[in-house]
Amino acid sequence: AQSVAQPEDQVNVAEGNPLTVKCTYSVSGNPYLFWYVQYPNRGLQFLLKYITGDNLVKGSYGFEAEFNKSQTSFHLKKPSALVSDSALYFCAVRDLNSGYALNFGKGTSLLVTP
Amino acid sequence: GAVVSQHPSWVICKSGTSVKIECRSLDFQATTMFWYRQFPKQSLMLMATSNEGSKATYEQGVEKDKFLINHASLTLSTLTVTSAHPEDSSFYICSALPPGLRSSYNEQFFGPGTRLTVL
Repeated sequence: AQSVAQPEDQVNVAEGNPLTVKCTYSVSGNPYLFWYVQYPNRGLQFLLKYITGDNLVKGSYGFEAEFNKSQTSFHLKKPSALVSDSALYFCAVRDLNSGYALNFGKGTSLLVTP
Repeated sequence: GAVVSQHPSWVICKSGTSVKIECRSLDFQATTMFWYRQFPKQSLMLMATSNEGSKATYEQGVEKDKFLINHASLTLSTLTVTSAHPEDSSFYICSALPPGLRSSYNEQFFGPGTRLTVL
């Protein structure tokens, strides 16, 4: 089964500092990986995806993620955090056995303090 | 990016009643839509895959007679929670997958969610 794991329930970082939200994956075959962000009582917004190609993927709002095959990781990063980045972040992998639905990690709450 | 809407955004109903939630893709046609359920501070759990013109595919443990899904057009899927009970209270989120030769590469676009509270 295609799955992802987010080992951290919460990440705290000071505004202006770099942030990393961790994600590891377990898939058979090539992984199709995604990051989404969710603000309170809202749907999910797409940040970026890795399908193939360069291991460093750049996405929306200054976020990027690095695909690391040897470590089976797809960590989300941003060089300089903003208070407005505070939200719930989900890593997801496409489930090729379920009509291209997404299997989500449990989510990581990011808190950026001024 | 593509826009997906949901209606209503929140609904409160009495136990035993049925509630219909609509999911629309506003600027693209979606042959496939997905329905997820999210409990507070938890992840999204896939409930079913909705395919235009055919029966929905339900995930294990999801009662198809309780959660009726209809995908009558390329821009609309509906989820009806029948005979709702308090344990059905949750945040229901739909998503739509744009079509294409490489649809598996495409990101899904999510609706804003519907908060259902059953009294």
